Amino acid sequence: GENVEQHPSTLSVQEGDSAVIKCTYSDSASNYFPWYKQELGKRPQLIIDIRSNVGEKKDQRIAVTLNKTAKHFSLHITETQPEDSAVYFCAASMRAAGNKLTFGGGTRVLVKP
Amino acid sequence: GAVVSQHPSWVICKSGTSVKIECRSLDFQATTMFWYRQFPKQSLMLMATSNEGSKATYEQGVEKDKFLINHASLTLSTLTVTSAHPEDSSFYICSARDLRGGGLQETQYFGPGTRLLVL
Repeated sequence: GENVEQHPSTLSVQEGDSAVIKCTYSDSASNYFPWYKQELGKRPQLIIDIRSNVGEKKDQRIAVTLNKTAKHFSLHITETQPEDSAVYFCAASMRAAGNKLTFGGGTRVLVKP
Repeated sequence: GAVVSQHPSWVICKSGTSVKIECRSLDFQATTMFWYRQFPKQSLMLMATSNEGSKATYEQGVEKDKFLINHASLTLSTLTVTSAHPEDSSFYICSARDLRGGGLQETQYFGPGTRLLVL
């Protein structure tokens, strides 16, 4: 089955700096890659996603890039703010597997004011 | 749109009892829902895929007789943890895909989760 690895596990940045989280996946058939933000005790919230026919997608301060050849994708957060502090999860899915999401291990991001 | 609710939000029970958790899609119909378990400071692990009108599909290592799933309608799936033990204490989260409007259907929306503590 699919395996998703995520790095780093923790990330501390100064407010205003950029944060980058990287994920790799194992199954080249995966075609959908969402990113979720989870605050303590809350549900995961979709912040951005990308499909395999696109190499990059941006939404205000958040961007995601996908390299299908290398089977990795990354989340970029610019101009970080304290409210960006949370745990971020990447995931991958494929239609052939019923769109089940396989999650990475998560990255705990701390934005210091 | 695409709101998923869960009930209860938290439950404390004695070892050996059974606990039922409900997952509802409030403003859309969901032929498929997913059940995840999340231990503290860990990632979400898929337990099973709940299919309306048919049997659930369980992930490897998940006991189907212990985690009973029923998806009786297009807006409701239930997870029953039977004979719960302390090691079943966890955060249980469901998700559903909004199939309205056709098109791309991969996006999953999560419920708020149910925190289970088994004493």
